[in-house]
Amino acid sequence: NAGVTQTPKFQVLKTGQSMTLQCAQDMNHNSMYWYRQDPGMGLRLIYYSASEGTTDKGEVPNGYNVSRLNKREFSLRLESAAPSQTSVYFCASSEAPGQGSEQYFGPGTRLTVT
Amino acid sequence: DAKTTQPPSMDCAEGRAANLPCNHSTISGNEYVYWYRQIHSQGPQYIIHGLKNNETNEMASLIITEDRKSSTLILPHATLRDTAVYYCIVRGPNAGKSTFGDGTTLTVKP
Repeated sequence: NAGVTQTPKFQVLKTGQSMTLQCAQDMNHNSMYWYRQDPGMGLRLIYYSASEGTTDKGEVPNGYNVSRLNKREFSLRLESAAPSQTSVYFCASSEAPGQGSEQYFGPGTRLTVT
Repeated sequence: DAKTTQPPSMDCAEGRAANLPCNHSTISGNEYVYWYRQIHSQGPQYIIHGLKNNETNEMASLIITEDRKSSTLILPHATLRDTAVYYCIVRGPNAGKSTFGDGTTLTVKP
């Protein structure tokens, strides 16, 4: 039981390049989330998927797209990377979308955009 | 979701209880209080959550005031491994409102 896994662990992009961050969970959770964490700050929600087949914007969605590929996998895409997107990206999952359901986090992807 | 306020940093002596406060004066009746911690740059780790009543698990205790406007996370016997950033968040039925604030950096000292 690996929990929440993320790939890659590290990535360096040039401005304008695109990439997809992958996330998978093996806990049969319904809800999945993407956060970003800038240095010295808390986590901010980018997008979330309350259940398979649905996705919604969080607090900071601009510059990102997501795909809930199936119940296990939730990917985050940067179409045209910018230096302001340099951050650590965390994926999380929970059994249910709302209150009463704790989130489990992956180890993060450290992205640098030059 | 309600906004939370936490002190930016706290120290605690090893072996003593660490009491981390959180204010959430605008909490709604259907919102839970959650606590997570983040060690170094790892993914946040769930600690405990509650609605009205005090809660205890193997990691910590959560004390919620009767008016639910504030809460305290208690680590009963802090160890050096408990040094981390602790986040208090309030979550309701909307999964899209799930932002973490800046948290409290707890430093456990020998």
